[in-house]
Amino acid sequence: DAKTTQPPSMDCAEGRAANLPCNHSTISGNEYVYWYRQIHSQGPQYIIHGLKNNETNEMASLIITEDRKSSTLILPHATLRDTAVYYCIVRVVDSSASKIIFGSGTRLSIRP
Amino acid sequence: ETGVTQTPRHLVMGMTNKKSLKCEQHLGHNAMYWYKQSAKKPLELMFVYSLEERVENNSVPSRFSPECPNSSHLFLHLHTLQPEDSALYLCASSQVARATNEKLFFGSGTQLSVL
Repeated sequence: DAKTTQPPSMDCAEGRAANLPCNHSTISGNEYVYWYRQIHSQGPQYIIHGLKNNETNEMASLIITEDRKSSTLILPHATLRDTAVYYCIVRVVDSSASKIIFGSGTRLSIRP
Repeated sequence: ETGVTQTPRHLVMGMTNKKSLKCEQHLGHNAMYWYKQSAKKPLELMFVYSLEERVENNSVPSRFSPECPNSSHLFLHLHTLQPEDSALYLCASSQVARATNEKLFFGSGTQLSVL
């Protein structure tokens, strides 16, 4: 499985854009990049995913570099409710099942 | 509300007890998962079920016994647990198990404490 590397923590001012980086330099051609977040003591919540092209939905934007070795999750106008641990994951299918393996993530703190 | 419901929300048990965690999904999905999250550790994948058949068992000790009677329900039966098994147990579901383009939907988890 490809491995991802994220900074352990970041902070951002409320109302500003939060840009969360992720390195996945060993990603292969069929592996999607997924982002989830986990608010304290709750289950992870899906945010967005992509393969090659940049993606946008109502929650966030995902920018994937052309070589696919890194990506950035953008929360355009961060609010206090966006304080959470953000996980960048690559997903691969093997002979048994498609696995989502979580790393340590980035703890994002939004300051008022 | 994600469509995945876990009960109980909190559970305290002794090492000699037998208990079960329940997960129910209302999304019409065919794959269900158990994850374990210990304090200050990443989520660990425990089991994967696809169409009620177990397709993944990540070297989990036999004191954890999963059961998937149908595609909407998943159980985790617990017996003779150890204090180090105290953790947040999370259930998730997805449309299918073997696809690269699938989202996981998680429940809120069961916070388990083993005394």
